[in-house]
Amino acid sequence: GENVEQHPSTLSVQEGDSAVIKCTYSDSASNYFPWYKQELGKRPQLIIDIRSNVGEKKDQRIAVTLNKTAKHFSLHITETQPEDSAVYFCAASSYISSGSARQLTFGSGTQLTVLP
Amino acid sequence: NAGVTQTPKFQVLKTGQSMTLQCAQDMNHNSMYWYRQDPGMGLRLIYYSASEGTTDKGEVPNGYNVSRLNKREFSLRLESAAPSQTSVYFCASLTDFSTDTQYFGPGTRLTVL
Repeated sequence: GENVEQHPSTLSVQEGDSAVIKCTYSDSASNYFPWYKQELGKRPQLIIDIRSNVGEKKDQRIAVTLNKTAKHFSLHITETQPEDSAVYFCAASSYISSGSARQLTFGSGTQLTVLP
Repeated sequence: NAGVTQTPKFQVLKTGQSMTLQCAQDMNHNSMYWYRQDPGMGLRLIYYSASEGTTDKGEVPNGYNVSRLNKREFSLRLESAAPSQTSVYFCASLTDFSTDTQYFGPGTRLTVL
């Protein structure tokens, strides 16, 4: 099955600086890579995603890059603000072994702290 | 349009007790999922239902059972709760394979003493 590794597990940055979180995946059949943000006590919320036919996608201060050959993808947050502080999860989507449904395999999460 | 809803929000059980976590979605999604979230381990898939009438095991199914009651509802049952099942449980739904976007419920925080 798919295996997703995420680094770093914790990241502290000064307000206004950039933050980068990296993930690697193992299943070359995975073709959809979402990023979720989870604030304390809340549900994971999708913030950006990318498909395997695209190398980069940007949405205001957030961007995601994908290198299919190396099987890694990254989240970039520029001009960080205190409200960006949260846990961020990457995920990779592939078919469950029976082929009947898609499955998201999650990384273990990155606690991002933006220091004022 | 409430999205994905879960009940209860919090629950405390004693070892050996049973309970059912409820999940419902009003987005007409076909696939539904149950995850558990433990500190430092991300979200792990317990069971999923690709469509109404079908269910299957995920990564960590032991100690759980599920029922896809209809297209809207997908419940998770703990027959004999154990302290190792202390976790936050999230239900999610997915519209179709072309988008792959999963929408999560608000979660149930379960403590087993």
